[in-house]
Amino acid sequence: RKEVEQDPGPFNVPEGATVAFNCTYSNSASQSFFWYRQDCRKEPKLLMSVYSSGNEDGRFTAQLNRASQYISLLIRDSKLSDSATYLCVVNLYGGSQGNLIFGKGTKLSVKP
Amino acid sequence: DTGVSQDPRHKITKRGQNVTFRCDPISEHNRLYWYRQTLGQGPEFLTYFQNEAQLEKSRLLSDRFSAERPKGSFSTLEIQRTEQGDSAMYLCASTLYGTSALNEQFFGPGTRLTVL
Repeated sequence: RKEVEQDPGPFNVPEGATVAFNCTYSNSASQSFFWYRQDCRKEPKLLMSVYSSGNEDGRFTAQLNRASQYISLLIRDSKLSDSATYLCVVNLYGGSQGNLIFGKGTKLSVKP
Repeated sequence: DTGVSQDPRHKITKRGQNVTFRCDPISEHNRLYWYRQTLGQGPEFLTYFQNEAQLEKSRLLSDRFSAERPKGSFSTLEIQRTEQGDSAMYLCASTLYGTSALNEQFFGPGTRLTVL
């Protein structure tokens, strides 16, 4: 199993659509989980952290299922400006190491 | 601008030359990370520092790569005898470790290296 694995994409959706991204991780001891957004030829930027109880930030909802080692990101009412690559990121080895393991990313393209 | 900065933003070099990149983290951040990203891939961890101590190096970091953070502030990443396979975006990130269990990392704009 790959350390952090994401849906391959790309996802091409119309404006206003709801889109969901999935991600699995290999180490059950992982402690911290994030979704980052990366625009073309730009650096990754934190979109949201993922909490055990699930969390919502406006149109974005993140969920964590520790038993299945699975993270998801739901985007409702998608906008043209949501077009980007979404990276699933895990502090895979927990503890104090802190280095993040990134998935390959899922590209989202929102069309008018 | 109080974010993470990197210099240069772009570097073109010939195979066999040495290159050095600099990263200035957010000023109060004690941890600094280096990642490498190639097209179609997510960033791959290379190494990280807590203050001036280099705490971990990835197996991706061959002997040709060296990183320093001499005063616990800025960091440099040097690649000796560059190879075409070193062409990538080199990203630096920083975080204030210990204040949050989540340790969110903030990335700089990256240095894009092209080895001819």
